[in-house]
Amino acid sequence: AQSVTQLDSQVPVFEEAPVELRCNYSSSVSVYLFWYVQYPNQGLQLLLKYLSGSTLVKGINGFEAEFNKSQTSFHLRKPSVHISDTAEYFCAVSAEGNYQLIWGAGTKLIIKP
Amino acid sequence: EPEVTQTPSHQVTQMGQEVILRCVPISNHLYFYWYRQILGQKVEFLVSFYNNEISEKSEIFDDQFSVERPDGSNFTLKIRSTKLEDSAMYFCASISGQTSEAFFGQGTRLTVV
Repeated sequence: AQSVTQLDSQVPVFEEAPVELRCNYSSSVSVYLFWYVQYPNQGLQLLLKYLSGSTLVKGINGFEAEFNKSQTSFHLRKPSVHISDTAEYFCAVSAEGNYQLIWGAGTKLIIKP
Repeated sequence: EPEVTQTPSHQVTQMGQEVILRCVPISNHLYFYWYRQILGQKVEFLVSFYNNEISEKSEIFDDQFSVERPDGSNFTLKIRSTKLEDSAMYFCASISGQTSEAFFGQGTRLTVV
């Protein structure tokens, strides 16, 4: 079975500052890793995913994440945030060959002007 | 760009009533999922559907729940006799099978009173 931990329920950051949202997972099998974003009153949108290959993956809206197998982490980063990045960010995993997603609790990104 | 459509966006129902949540997945996708998110909690897997039958279901998905794809396009989740604890945001997702990306609808917010 897999599990996902997002330790930070909220991350406040000033506009134009860098941000890192943390995600750790546990699994006994190989996994695929995802970050989804949920803007206020909207659905879930894929930001980026890691399936295989390069451990640094780039997504939409300037976000990137790095898969670290030894630390079982998949932290999300952005070098400079904008007010429009205000949203809740969810890390999720699925076992290879299984499309079912196991979700973290989410991190609310709060942008301070 | 193709998208997953869910209706209604909001549903308020009395305890004990039946509700049907509707989803129109992306047309050439093969795998369909329902997830729910109780306010303040993690997104949870409910059920997956492939080849016109349930492929996997969670403990949450008890006899009160059912899914079907009656006409090859709509994918519905029925709750026969709603309970207060069924109040949540329900998300439908579809996956092509050629990639592992899940496309989500905007969600249906169900409130049981």
